[in-house]
Amino acid sequence: EDQVTQSPEALRLQEGESSSLNCSYTVSGLRGLFWYRQDPGKGPEFLFTLYSAGEEKEKERLKATLTKKESFLHITAPKPEDSATYLCAVQGVSGNTPLVFGKGTRLSVIA
Amino acid sequence: DSGVTQTPKHLITATGQRVTLRCSPRSGDLSVYWYQQSLDQGLQFLIQYYNGEERAKGNILERFSAQQFPDLHSELNLSSLELGDSALYFCASSVDYSTGYTFGSGTRLTVV
Repeated sequence: EDQVTQSPEALRLQEGESSSLNCSYTVSGLRGLFWYRQDPGKGPEFLFTLYSAGEEKEKERLKATLTKKESFLHITAPKPEDSATYLCAVQGVSGNTPLVFGKGTRLSVIA
Repeated sequence: DSGVTQTPKHLITATGQRVTLRCSPRSGDLSVYWYQQSLDQGLQFLIQYYNGEERAKGNILERFSAQQFPDLHSELNLSSLELGDSALYFCASSVDYSTGYTFGSGTRLTVV
């Protein structure tokens, strides 16, 4: 069974204080690893897809990286508007498997 | 606006009642997915439809059912509601099962 574990559950940063969120996964074969951002009361918003170990993707202050067992979402010099819950999900290659999500990391950036 | 439309946004109902949640996928997307999100469980996959046919089933209760219509919109029916069914219900769509999903803004169901 595909599983995703995210850590920490919650993270509080000062504005400009860089940090990383972790996503550990187990999957029989990885089709893709996805990062989403979710604001309170709203639907998840797509950020990145990573397909193979060593791959990196960047968007503004966010950079996602992938290894064979985990992914990191690096946040450089965060701003208060980066406050949200960040969700990681995996999709396996076995048949028609839907995305399996972790419980997320709740990020608060304080001005 | 993500292009995935969910109605209603909020629903308050009593235990034992039945409700229907509606989802219109993004134009061109053939797959529709339903997820339940509660505070302690995170996003839990319920069911997937592709072009009108059921493709995958997750931890969906027997009291819950869904369908996808010829115009590709989908409905999730929840019956004999219990307090524990209170949650956010999200619909997502994709072109096919191999691409990422686009989520709607969700329906917040409160069972009292």
